[in-house]
Amino acid sequence: EPEVTQTPSHQVTQMGQEVILRCVPISNHLYFYWYRQILGQKVEFLVSFYNNEISEKSEIFDDQFSVERPDGSNFTLKIRSTKLEDSAMYFCASSAEGYEQYFGPGTRLTVT
Amino acid sequence: KNEVEQSPQNLTAQEGEFITINCSYSVGISALHWLQQHPGGGIVSLFMLSSGKKKHGRLIATINIQEKHSSLHITASHPRDSAVYICAPGSSNTGKLIFGQGTTLQVKP
Repeated sequence: EPEVTQTPSHQVTQMGQEVILRCVPISNHLYFYWYRQILGQKVEFLVSFYNNEISEKSEIFDDQFSVERPDGSNFTLKIRSTKLEDSAMYFCASSAEGYEQYFGPGTRLTVT
Repeated sequence: KNEVEQSPQNLTAQEGEFITINCSYSVGISALHWLQQHPGGGIVSLFMLSSGKKKHGRLIATINIQEKHSSLHITASHPRDSAVYICAPGSSNTGKLIFGQGTTLQVKP
């Protein structure tokens, strides 16, 4: 069964460093999402991406964040200068037309 | 006020019991997801529904769009059902999901 994959599973970085979280969505899906979950809190929407552009972003998704689909298969989330409060589990999701979303296993980001 | 309210927040049941988790939302949606999250964090989609009722094995989900309310039922609960169950309405424009706080279910043998 097709699945969404994410790498790395765990990333530790120092405050101020850039990180790139990678996702490979399901191959025929057209809609891509990033969500995050701070430990002990609910999952929050970050950004949605369709037709090679951002379709919606949340207040969390400020200028420090960017997304890219560089090669037609990967979907990346970049944080330019990480802060302690960026520590969270980041989930990628993808969907075909009709909105049912399939989630990757997540990347745990720890900023020290 | 939260856009998505789930009840109860925590639920402990004995194996075999019938379980109901409720979700009320205030946003306009195209469809609503019920998701399961196990310790360790992975999220699995159980259902996406926009009207009526869906059944998958021992799980049943219903939605009333007019009342902005959905329920997830588990029949003949089992310890392996222990997890966090999350209601997540989907935006009618971009499909983004708005997550509830989740209901932590523990089923005891």
